[in-house]
Amino acid sequence: AQSVTQPDIHITVSEGASLELRCNYSYGATPYLFWYVQSPGQGLQLLLKYFSGDTLVQGIKGFEAEFKRSQSSFNLRKPSVHWSDAAEYFCAVNDGGSQGNLIFGKGTKLSVKP
Amino acid sequence: GAGVSQSPSNKVTEKGKDVELRCDPISGHTALYWYRQSLGQGLEFLIYFQGNSAPDKSGLPSDRFSAERTGGSVSTLTIQRTQQEDSAVYLCASSRGTHNYGYTFGSGTRLTVV
Repeated sequence: AQSVTQPDIHITVSEGASLELRCNYSYGATPYLFWYVQSPGQGLQLLLKYFSGDTLVQGIKGFEAEFKRSQSSFNLRKPSVHWSDAAEYFCAVNDGGSQGNLIFGKGTKLSVKP
Repeated sequence: GAGVSQSPSNKVTEKGKDVELRCDPISGHTALYWYRQSLGQGLEFLIYFQGNSAPDKSGLPSDRFSAERTGGSVSTLTIQRTQQEDSAVYLCASSRGTHNYGYTFGSGTRLTVV
């Protein structure tokens, strides 16, 4: 069965530092991969998605992610973190069915130090 | 509407009472999903609608949970005889189709059963 692992429950980075959030997936075929961000008390906002083609995907708010099939990974990166990036980040993969259901990781909470 | 709207945003109910949660998706979005987000559990898929039909109810945790969608638009999730373990944030998402365009989420309903 498809699954998503986000190994880091909580990460703290300094403002202006670079960020990488890890995501590993288990999927038998070419996956559709997503990163979402959730600010406190809010729903989830789509940051970026990968379906096919270029393995480096650009998203909103200066985020990017790289699909690495050999490592079954889809890590999220940002070169310089802003205090407003503090939130929880979820990686997701399609479940392989025709309904478009997504399987989510348990999330990584990002804290930003001034 | 411009976004996915959920109501109420917060609901406190007594154990044993029934509750109804409402989701108003983006106009024209044919696919609608309900997820439950519990502390430490990540996002749990509950049910999916394509139009007014719910071909997959496998995620509903018990027969106390039911959902419907009318006019290919508004959906309600009903929980009968609420239990404390039902306390969670219930998130609704909609999508143009099922081909993994990526969901648009509402802000959720925080349900607290006391």
